[in-house]
Amino acid sequence: GDQVKQSPSALSLQEGTNSALRCNFSIATTTVQWFLQNPRGSLMNLFYLVPGTKENGRLKSTFNSKESYSTLHIRDAQLEDSGTYFCAAVGDTNTGKLTFGDGTVLTVKP
Amino acid sequence: EAAVTQSPRSKVAVTGGKVTLSCHQTNNHDYMYWYRQDTGHGLRLIHYSYVADSTEKGDIPDGYKASRPSQENFSLILELASLSQTAVYFCASSDAGTGQLYFGEGSKLTVL
Repeated sequence: GDQVKQSPSALSLQEGTNSALRCNFSIATTTVQWFLQNPRGSLMNLFYLVPGTKENGRLKSTFNSKESYSTLHIRDAQLEDSGTYFCAAVGDTNTGKLTFGDGTVLTVKP
Repeated sequence: EAAVTQSPRSKVAVTGGKVTLSCHQTNNHDYMYWYRQDTGHGLRLIHYSYVADSTEKGDIPDGYKASRPSQENFSLILELASLSQTAVYFCASSDAGTGQLYFGEGSKLTVL
């Protein structure tokens, strides 16, 4: 949606290379979540962020609340990283209602 | 690991028929959600609940009802299914309003 904008919409990477996905918010949010939807359709949790940075293996994510954006860095991309990456922001802290971006489709090629 | 299970995983329904999608969580979470995903798009919130026997409207509630008979179970009901409701539906749970969301595997609904 317009409140959560992801870029790029699609990305093709050579195996072993690095890239970054971005999420810009036009809503005030206190937390950000990143998910990977694999080719079978399952949604997997990647990161749950308050302002700051988290790292997990080859993935690192940063949430900058003052400038209203989050990034997901992929290092040494592997074939199994292929899928659609979604970021989501909590627009309503009372209900936990998440607003999702439209996703970045990542294809990692050998 | 969080466990959210949905049933059925796939269903074909006829226009005007009734469809019930069920969701069960073993996380002891208070919050449960139903999202809809259309091909090539993100997820949109249909209904949610933060306590048993109570449900709230999300962003796109028209044409859907929800039921939360217990903390563990949350159902999505389409009383009169329409072609436009063909989509993949995801159930999710979280332990708090701002908590991490855990999704089920999704239910693919095709309305003919």
